[in-house]
Amino acid sequence: SQQGEEDPQALSIQEGENATMNCSYKTSINNLQWYRQNSGRGLVHLILIRSNEREKHSGRLRVTLDTSKKSSSLLITASRAADTASYFCATDLVSGGYNKLIFGAGTRLAVHP
Amino acid sequence: DAGITQSPRHKVTETGTPVTLRCHQTENHRYMYWYRQDPGHGLRLIHYSYGVKDTDKGEVSDGYSVSRSKTEDFLLTLESATSSQTSVYFCAISEGLAPSGELFFGEGSRLTVL
Repeated sequence: SQQGEEDPQALSIQEGENATMNCSYKTSINNLQWYRQNSGRGLVHLILIRSNEREKHSGRLRVTLDTSKKSSSLLITASRAADTASYFCATDLVSGGYNKLIFGAGTRLAVHP
Repeated sequence: DAGITQSPRHKVTETGTPVTLRCHQTENHRYMYWYRQDPGHGLRLIHYSYGVKDTDKGEVSDGYSVSRSKTEDFLLTLESATSSQTSVYFCAISEGLAPSGELFFGEGSRLTVL
């Protein structure tokens, strides 16, 4: 089973609306990262939030982290068609002596003009 | 964009043949990774490297081997390709060990094993 799982699996909205994606994880973490992947391209890092942080902003992105609920959310405000992509959360997991970065299956966001 | 080049970008091969994917970076980053991406699974770590000639296994390493003879190159080899290895393979690099900082990804290599 995966360390991080995104919800919903797919999201369809109109331009100008806000998009919220959630990530839940199972074990304690040191940090959580969000990545974006445009169709047919590699992943691009969006934001990293540490376990002692509750909220972080970057442009139209707002990430929250609730360690008591083991969950994070990514909010994209005033969405644009160019935000259409898959979004992945990634959490660190200590396993076999190596601190690994584990990715969830992603949320596919479609923003319609 | 981070200077990461993967080759080939697309490859079709037959079961049982060897395949080598190459990742080349111009960033002089210490850490390099190979992931595979399959529908419903997100990205899964195959192998990673923490320096020249220093590599270790990830979570799905069976059937794969890697080599890193130079800082800039990280090779992924499928000794005898199987249909279950049909996937999109991504190389990534980082300055520090992955969980502590961001990864920079290549554009991916799509491998089809018939």
